[in-house]
Amino acid sequence: QKEVEQDPGPLSVPEGAIVSLNCTYSNSAFQYFMWYRQYSRKGPELLMYTYSSGNKEDGRFTAQVDKSSKYISLFIRDSQPSDSATYLCAMTRGKGAQKLVFGQGTRLTINP
Amino acid sequence: GAVVSQHPSWVICKSGTSVKIECRSLDFQATTMFWYRQFPKQSLMLMATSNEGSKATYEQGVEKDKFLINHASLTLSTLTVTSAHPEDSSFYICSARDTGGRTDTQYFGPGTRLTVL
Repeated sequence: QKEVEQDPGPLSVPEGAIVSLNCTYSNSAFQYFMWYRQYSRKGPELLMYTYSSGNKEDGRFTAQVDKSSKYISLFIRDSQPSDSATYLCAMTRGKGAQKLVFGQGTRLTINP
Repeated sequence: GAVVSQHPSWVICKSGTSVKIECRSLDFQATTMFWYRQFPKQSLMLMATSNEGSKATYEQGVEKDKFLINHASLTLSTLTVTSAHPEDSSFYICSARDTGGRTDTQYFGPGTRLTVL
């Protein structure tokens, strides 16, 4: 069983829709959670960084963490075609811990 | 802030030659950098952790003599693929750990696409 599970998709939605991306994890030692966006043939770009259960909002993006269920989500409101990319969840065991454990990535397409 | 660059962005080489890829943190100092490999439609695979001034730590299954890593300064790490073969063709991405600022996490470079003929 992988430490981090993420549905690889592909996920295709119309422009303006609310997108929900999810990851589950098995190791309760994970304390810091990140979402990265990766466009084709580019490096991942950090979108959200959270370390406590609850919601964190940044513009059209909301990251949600539920440590009791070992479940994290990324919501994208008013989705745009430019949001089309692969979204990777990642987590680490503690501040200063060095290894990121990634999900498989979800390929998202926003249709105009 | 937290910008990481890589050079070159793509390289084509003949089998048997060596290729060096540079990773630079442009606006912060990075005591730790990481090298990843990514195959098409797959997630990132950590190859090694590079610490400034010391030897790199390689992940299981990664040949340290084939993938030479040097982290000579707080803003530069290099990955040299020695005696490259077609199976080494891949997308190589570095990241740098930013311990300053609001977060202690990794920022990624744009990647280097290596094609070995």
